[in-house]
This record gives sequence, structure tokens and C-alpha cells, in this order.
Amino acid sequence: SQTIHQWPATLVQPVGSPLSLECTVEGTSNPNLYWYRQAAGRGLQLLFYSIGIDQISSEVPQNLSASRPQDRQFILSSKKLLLSDSGFYLCALAGTPYEQYFGPGTRLTVT
Amino acid sequence: AQSVSQHNHHVILSEAASLELGCNYSYGGTVNLFWYVQYPGQHLQLLLKYFSGDPLVKGIKGFEAEFIKSKFSFNLRKPSVQWSDTAEYFCAALSGSARQLTFGSGTQLTVLP
Repeated sequence: SQTIHQWPATLVQPVGSPLSLECTVEGTSNPNLYWYRQAAGRGLQLLFYSIGIDQISSEVPQNLSASRPQDRQFILSSKKLLLSDSGFYLCALAGTPYEQYFGPGTRLTVT
Repeated sequence: AQSVSQHNHHVILSEAASLELGCNYSYGGTVNLFWYVQYPGQHLQLLLKYFSGDPLVKGIKGFEAEFIKSKFSFNLRKPSVQWSDTAEYFCAALSGSARQLTFGSGTQLTVLP
């Protein structure tokens, strides 16, 4: 069965600092991968998705970027964090048929 | 683009009460719909899904949802809630070539013992 790992679980970063969140998956190959953000009091917003290595699509313009250097690794980054980047970041992969499986998430607080 | 609306932001019920959470979607074509639940401290997990066929879908833990195409709705129901159902519930619709999900804003359900 598929497993999704996210690292770190929690993170507190100052405004203007860089960010790197990692998602790795097991038990599947060439999955569609997704980054979602859940901000306080709001639903889940799709940030990026990837259908393969180095193939990234952005859903909303923002301060963040994503990369997929390996088939089972999906990274969310920022060069300079904003206060508005605070939230709960979830990595997901697409199973069959059409279900998505979610990782444990990373709680990011920008101070 | 697909959009999903959940109009109940916070619902508070007593145990054994019946539950109905509203969900409306915007796209009128073929639609795949989901309800996810996030229990405190746990991963987001799938409750139930609708792809086609019987519009009344049964999921885990006694939950069900009814797809009503004419109303663009996919409401979640449970006849008798338990304290352990306290969680945040998200309705979602599948969209796009990469099978991405569009989520509603979520409904926080609190069940009082």
C-alpha cells in the first residue's frame, strides 16, 4: 500500500527566511503528486501538482515553488517566506480510481 | 473551473442526533465527488466517493451521501452521530487532466457527549 512521508512535522520560521518541505512516497511508481495548503479557517487549496519528474504545474500565483527531482520526491520551497505562508501543508498522491491519499502534513508558522 | 461550496462552517450536535452537511458543486458535466474527514491529529482520509451509478453512496462509519444532479448537491448524512465523529469534513470534486481535487472550505463538526 502507498505511504506518504512529510518532513518536518512542524516548523517555525521568521519572515524572509527560506523554506523547504519534503514529501516522499512509497509503494507506488510514477504517481501524480500534489501540494495543498490549509490556512486557518479556510479549506484546502491546491498549490502545485506534478505528473512526473520535473513536470510541475502551479494552480495559484504565490511566493512558493515546487520541484520533483525524483519520481517519489516532491519538494515545496520558498526563497523568502511571508506571514501569509503560514498554514498546514499537505502532500497527496493520486491512487486509483481517482482517490487521493494524504500525508500527515507540515504545520508551518511564519513569525 | 470547478468550485465546491460548503455552507455550514461549524455544526454542533448532541450524540444520537442526525447529521446532514451540505455540499454544492458548480460544474454541470461528468463529476466525481468525495467526502474526506480529518479527525483531530490524524491524516485526511476518504469517507466516501461518487463516480457514477446509484446516487446514494455509502461510506465508512455509517456515513452516506446523496448525489442530486438537478441540485448540484452531494450532501453528507448520518442518522445518529457519535462523539467520535467530531472532526472536520471536506467535500471535494475531481477536476482537470491531472485529477486534482477542488475542496470546499470544510465543516467543523462537534458532537457533544
